Amino acid sequence: GESVGLHLPTLSVQEGDNSIINCAYSNSASDYFIWYKQESGKGPQFIIDIRSNMDKRQGQRVTVLLNKTVKHLSLQIAATQPGDSAVYFCAADNQAGTALIFGKGTTLSVSS
Amino acid sequence: SQTIHQWPATLVQPVGSPLSLECTVEGTSNPNLYWYRQAAGRGLQLLFYSVGIGQISSEVPQNLSASRPQDRQFILSSKKLLLSDSGFYLCASTGGHTEAFFGQGTRLTVV
Repeated sequence: GESVGLHLPTLSVQEGDNSIINCAYSNSASDYFIWYKQESGKGPQFIIDIRSNMDKRQGQRVTVLLNKTVKHLSLQIAATQPGDSAVYFCAADNQAGTALIFGKGTTLSVSS
Repeated sequence: SQTIHQWPATLVQPVGSPLSLECTVEGTSNPNLYWYRQAAGRGLQLLFYSVGIGQISSEVPQNLSASRPQDRQFILSSKKLLLSDSGFYLCASTGGHTEAFFGQGTRLTVV
């Protein structure tokens, strides 16, 4: 079946460093990709999205890169702050385009 | 933007008891609605999705069921809870190929 997976379950960085969280997806027909941030006990919050007709999209301190050739997605966080500590999920739409399939999440820990 | 109301926030239920979690959506019409479950240390597992009233698709076989009696109402149910049903349940709404808005989740503990 379709799957979305993250490469590392945990990532620890120092405040001010850049963070890169990677994700792989299985469905080559996926057209839409999202990164979510989830703080403890809360629902996921949207960070940034990208469609398959793009390979890069930038937001405030975040950049998403999409490599459709190898079905790989990454989230880059510039100047990581302690408030960025959370679980990050990538998601891709399913083959029917009716639902988002999520990866298992990477826990980002930022130390001062 | 959309607002997803999900309740209760926490729930402790004995094994074998029934379950009903309700989710309602504001700020949109004809949304696609989803129930996800998040177990400790795992990602978000898609349980059910609905593209319209009375239309339910199940992603995994399980002890749960879902219903959509109204356009912006999505209900997750069980007749008899199992210990393995414990987890964090999230309702989400999307207009299709757009971001999904999530509720704040229900922490279900089956004892």
